[in-house]
Amino acid sequence: NFMLTQPHSVSESPGKTVTISCTRSSGSIASNYVQWYQQRPGSAPTTVIYEDNQRPSGVPDRFSGSIDSSSNSASLTISGLKTEDEADYYCQSYDSSLWVFGGGTKLTVL
Amino acid sequence: EVQLVQSGAEVKKPGESLRISCKGSGYSFTSYWISWVRQMPGKGLEWMGRIDPSDSYTNYSPSFQGHVTISADKSISTAYLQWSSLKASDTAMYYCARPPYWGQGTLVTVSS
Repeated sequence: NFMLTQPHSVSESPGKTVTISCTRSSGSIASNYVQWYQQRPGSAPTTVIYEDNQRPSGVPDRFSGSIDSSSNSASLTISGLKTEDEADYYCQSYDSSLWVFGGGTKLTVL
Repeated sequence: EVQLVQSGAEVKKPGESLRISCKGSGYSFTSYWISWVRQMPGKGLEWMGRIDPSDSYTNYSPSFQGHVTISADKSISTAYLQWSSLKASDTAMYYCARPPYWGQGTLVTVSS
């Protein structure tokens, strides 16, 4: 079993770039795909990144995902921040057949 | 267009049973696993388990094993999440997901 640890909150100004980390506690981050979900207040989650770095259709290319084996972490980077990006973001990976979620990061765009 | 459409909000009393649903459309329902995810008020996402609709094989999170049952009826492209005896602590929003697609959520409120 492993855990995924995310910062509780991050904040940045419109137009800037922000990176949210997701650190795996044991085992290699590269051994299972990582997904990222965006959840705006009062709404269902939506997928912004799947399989480490793939964007579903309709997700702007301002959103990108990456894996860093040296820090055993995944990252979600959002460039050209817009106020509409303000949301909670969750990373998710797999432990055998089971899903593991990070605790979520609240992104404030101010 | 792929869609996962969930059943409506429910208000139940402790001890009552409940089954909520998630109907898939726009894709081959038996080709993709469907997962259920809980979100308690003000909290994060928790994975409950998943089902392979082709043969109804299930995996459960240890945290939810024995507390809920996941099933599916492939003839109507619908997955289910059910409880036999609800508790107040089951009050939450429940989502079905077939990444990258998610249902809109079903709010379950359990209160005497």
